Amino acid sequence: AQSVTQLDSHVSVSEGTPVLLRCNYSSSYSPSLFWYVQHPNKGLQLLLKYTSAATLVKGINGFEAEFKKSETSFHLTKPSAHMSDAAEYFCVVSDRWGGGNKLTFGTGTQLKVEL
Amino acid sequence: DVKVTQSSRYLVKRTGEKVFLECVQDMDHENMFWYRQDPGLGLRLIYFSYDVKMKEKGDIPEGYSVSREKKERFSLILESASTNQTSMYLCASSSRDRVQNTEAFFGQGTRLTVV
Repeated sequence: AQSVTQLDSHVSVSEGTPVLLRCNYSSSYSPSLFWYVQHPNKGLQLLLKYTSAATLVKGINGFEAEFKKSETSFHLTKPSAHMSDAAEYFCVVSDRWGGGNKLTFGTGTQLKVEL
Repeated sequence: DVKVTQSSRYLVKRTGEKVFLECVQDMDHENMFWYRQDPGLGLRLIYFSYDVKMKEKGDIPEGYSVSREKKERFSLILESASTNQTSMYLCASSSRDRVQNTEAFFGQGTRLTVV
């Protein structure tokens, strides 16, 4: 069965410093992986996705993530945090299930950005 | 733009009532999903459907059922609402790609309160 573990429930950084949000997954097959962001009282927005092409994936707003099969990890990074990055971030694994694709979410990481 | 529309933003229902949550997507997607989102637990999959009249149980199906009579519409049914079903409910859809899993698009959510 597939699963996702987000290693930190809360991360706090200063504006202008790097961001690292950690995600480990387990999957029986070759999965697709996603990061979504949810700003307060807003809907979920796709940040980036990995679908077995390049292992380093670039997303919106300067975020990127690296797929490491040997470590079963898909950590999200950004070189320099901005106040507008404060939000909740979800790592998601997608796998074949039944006749379709099942998406499994991590429990989320709340990112706080301080001045 | 892909649009996933949930029929209500806010609902208040009484314990024991039968509750219907409706979701419509306009992108001809095969996959549709119902999640509930609770603080600290992330998004948990209730049911998903990969075709008309086809459904698969997710991780927390107890107390819920679903209906998909038309491709664009996926309904979540709470047969007898209970207070522990008070939550944010999110509907999503995605296309079924045989080669790559595609991302899901989410509705704005329905905040259900059961009193």
